[in-house]
Amino acid sequence: DTEVTQTPKHLVMGMTNKKSLKCEQHMGHRAMYWYKQKAKKPPELMFVYSYEKLSINESVPSRFSPECPNSSLLNLHLHALQPEDSALYLCASSQAREAGYEQYFGPGTRLTVT
Amino acid sequence: SQKIEQNSEALNIQEGKTATLTCNYTNYSPAYLQWYRQDPGRGPVFLLLIRENEKEKRKERLKVTFDTTLKQSLFHITASQPADSATYLCALDVAPYYGNNRLAFGKGNQVVVIP
Repeated sequence: DTEVTQTPKHLVMGMTNKKSLKCEQHMGHRAMYWYKQKAKKPPELMFVYSYEKLSINESVPSRFSPECPNSSLLNLHLHALQPEDSALYLCASSQAREAGYEQYFGPGTRLTVT
Repeated sequence: SQKIEQNSEALNIQEGKTATLTCNYTNYSPAYLQWYRQDPGRGPVFLLLIRENEKEKRKERLKVTFDTTLKQSLFHITASQPADSATYLCALDVAPYYGNNRLAFGKGNQVVVIP
């Protein structure tokens, strides 16, 4: 199984809402990632987890809060977002966080903040 | 500053021909370079990884070259098919020496294969 799943596929939320994005992989990968992608732009790294510990936070605003409950699951908790946070949020995983491993991406969650 | 450049103009190509895409980078010294395919509204799909000591890598109809002197990678799709129409992203492993699999992506190059 080389699949990374993400739920929900689409999410519309107001600026005062709290919501969560979920990501799951069953490939035994030990590194997991959150990316943000705006239209016509490349994916931008937000967070990296390695062995369920936060390894990289790319200076992401605190209204985005990641969580890795276990080696297969990755969550992104959202609170008090701004309209400019509307984007495609991608989860990815790789065998390890060391360089040289390809990343497997999920289909993404299309987030709209109203 | 560090840059990864891919052609912003779409490449329109006749079915059966070879599509060639270019990825140029500056102020990076990646040990690895990867290519991904992305369809609209979907996540990127890994295609090929090439190491700095490899000149060329092939997978079915795909070929990648990596010239660390020119700081350039070329991506070829031979015998192109309409199903190859997508955006192709170049990605550099920008922190190979720090133990982090941190990819920096180019903006991507759209390919349109005309039947």
